[in-house]
Amino acid sequence: DARVTQTPRHKVTEMGQEVTMRCQPILGHNTVFWYRQTMMQGLELLAYFRNRAPLDDSGMPKDRFSAEMPDATLATLKIQPSEPRDSAVYFCASGDRVNSPLHFGNGTRLTVT
Amino acid sequence: AQSVTQLDSQVPVFEEAPVELRCNYSSSVSVYLFWYVQYPNQGLQLLLKYLSGSTLVKGINGFEAEFNKSQTSFHLRKPSVHISDTAEYFCAVMRSGNTPLVFGKGTRLSVIA
Repeated sequence: DARVTQTPRHKVTEMGQEVTMRCQPILGHNTVFWYRQTMMQGLELLAYFRNRAPLDDSGMPKDRFSAEMPDATLATLKIQPSEPRDSAVYFCASGDRVNSPLHFGNGTRLTVT
Repeated sequence: AQSVTQLDSQVPVFEEAPVELRCNYSSSVSVYLFWYVQYPNQGLQLLLKYLSGSTLVKGINGFEAEFNKSQTSFHLRKPSVHISDTAEYFCAVMRSGNTPLVFGKGTRLSVIA
């Protein structure tokens, strides 16, 4: 059963440190999404890519967040420097075509102290 | 822009009782509609989807939802819940295929023995 893989599952870091989260989309899926989940805001779209090109990253704080797809099998979300308010669960999802639902990974739970 | 309102943040229900989780959406264009379920410390799993056709949609685990265009609603129902249905449920809309999902804030279903 194909699935989206995210690493690490948990990350605890100190304020100011760099954090990199990785996502392996389902093989053949051409669209990758990054979402952030918090108690206060729920699920928010941070950015998404199609065929490795960024289509929308308006949900990301540009000064500290960056998202890339070095190749079709890897998407990364980087925070530098991290802040306590970045503490959240970050989800990656992938999709492949019109009328296809998104498939989600199990998330990276980030805690910034 | 699309938006989703889940009217109940928490729904407690006794085991084997019926349940309805309410979802209303707002959109100036036709949308696709989804319900996802999130179990603790896991990602989101698709329950069911409405793309077109019959307004009554059946999903996994005995859930179903009815699309009502005039009321812009997509309520989720199950005739008899189990303890294992305890989870967070998210309603979501998608403007067109393979574009970002816009989520509601979620409804926490607690099934009581």
